[in-house]
Amino acid sequence: DVKVTQSSRYLVKRTGEKVFLECVQDMDHENMFWYRQDPGLGLRLIYFSYDVKMKEKGDIPEGYSVSREKKERFSLILESASTNQTSMYLCASSPNTAGANVLTFGAGSRLTVL
Amino acid sequence: SQQGEEDPQALSIQEGENATMNCSYKTSINNLQWYRQNSGRGLVHLILIRSNEREKHSGRLRVTLDTSKKSSSLLITASRAADTASYFCALRDTGRRALTFGSGTRLQVQP
Repeated sequence: DVKVTQSSRYLVKRTGEKVFLECVQDMDHENMFWYRQDPGLGLRLIYFSYDVKMKEKGDIPEGYSVSREKKERFSLILESASTNQTSMYLCASSPNTAGANVLTFGAGSRLTVL
Repeated sequence: SQQGEEDPQALSIQEGENATMNCSYKTSINNLQWYRQNSGRGLVHLILIRSNEREKHSGRLRVTLDTSKKSSSLLITASRAADTASYFCALRDTGRRALTFGSGTRLQVQP
């Protein structure tokens, strides 16, 4: 089975801190994604990557950056955390862009910014 | 990007009943997928239907797609308490790499 592992299930950070959310997948998927999930808003795409060192902005990239130095790892960075970034963050991966693009998700990282 | 709109937002039924959730969208799609999320966890893929398909089945799941009405429905037959979860439709727009998700339907199945 494909496994997507998010390094932290729960994090509490202070406003202004730099936050790293790490995601690793073990099935050689080309594509990786970061979504945030908020009540009533569903999942919104922050960034995605379709190859190593390649990235594209999603629908809500402001305040975030990403890094993909290796195929299996996709990191989400909050340069200066703010309270409106308190949310559930979901990482996902999929095998290729030209295909059906079925996503495999990690368990999620719940971030609270105080 | 467009987002699927799901209806109803919440649904409560008794075990053994059928549950139907609907998803509407606005533009052309490559495929439409349904995912399930147990409380506080990641999403799990359930079923995919392509734009040239009208109906698909997987176990107790039945998905329909009407591209002329730009809508899809997910039917769960003979529901069980373990089906309690949130269900999301996800769209792959033509020409877009990533999926966009609706806000979900919360299903509660009473034992």
